[in-house]
Amino acid sequence: SYVLTQPPSVSVAPGKTAKITCGGNKIGSKNVHWYQQKPGQAPVLVVYDDSDRPSGIPERFSGSNSGNTATLTISGVEAGDEADYYCQVWDSDSDLVVFGGGTKLTVL
Amino acid sequence: EVQLVESGGGLVQPGGSLRLSCAASGFTFSNYDMHWVRQATGKGLEWVSAIGTADDTYYPGSVKGRFTISREDAKSSLSLEMNSLRAGDTAVYYCARDGGGGNWSFDLWGRGTLVTVSS
Repeated sequence: SYVLTQPPSVSVAPGKTAKITCGGNKIGSKNVHWYQQKPGQAPVLVVYDDSDRPSGIPERFSGSNSGNTATLTISGVEAGDEADYYCQVWDSDSDLVVFGGGTKLTVL
Repeated sequence: EVQLVESGGGLVQPGGSLRLSCAASGFTFSNYDMHWVRQATGKGLEWVSAIGTADDTYYPGSVKGRFTISREDAKSSLSLEMNSLRAGDTAVYYCARDGGGGNWSFDLWGRGTLVTVSS
């Protein structure tokens, strides 16, 4: 089955740029979606189809995808961005949805 | 207001059954594929099932044959029938709307309902 690999944690100072990676075999050929989840809350879609943003999501959130790695980039990180972030794809070969293990973003 | 509200969670013994429901409002439910996603305490997200607008259904191997997803468009309602429950099924279960476009992103989530499988 298809596997997505994320780093367990990423730390960044306020105002700096955070990059959260999501690795998978030929992930560049798939559409990657990213979710933000704060403690006690449901996930929120922040990037879909590699690099598109839903309405209401700040431009500070962006995404890219190529080769074996997709990346969520958060520019000008704020304290309120501290959360768990999950990448997700649909594996068309198996008709299954796959999530990465999640990355805890800590704002120093 | 556009929202999803889950219900039906609770405590159930191993081997038992439970039926979850999700009430949708604020959008044309029949136009959207729908999903269930679960999350064990302190763990990551796990996709549980999907149903298309044509009632086509999809499941991962971990629940296939035990869980059944269904929808009632006239009532804007989604259900998940869970049988032969195991301790490993303990989790918060979220109802989620598909974002469309055929790429199975989830653009709207409910607040979740907790299912606990324990004797």
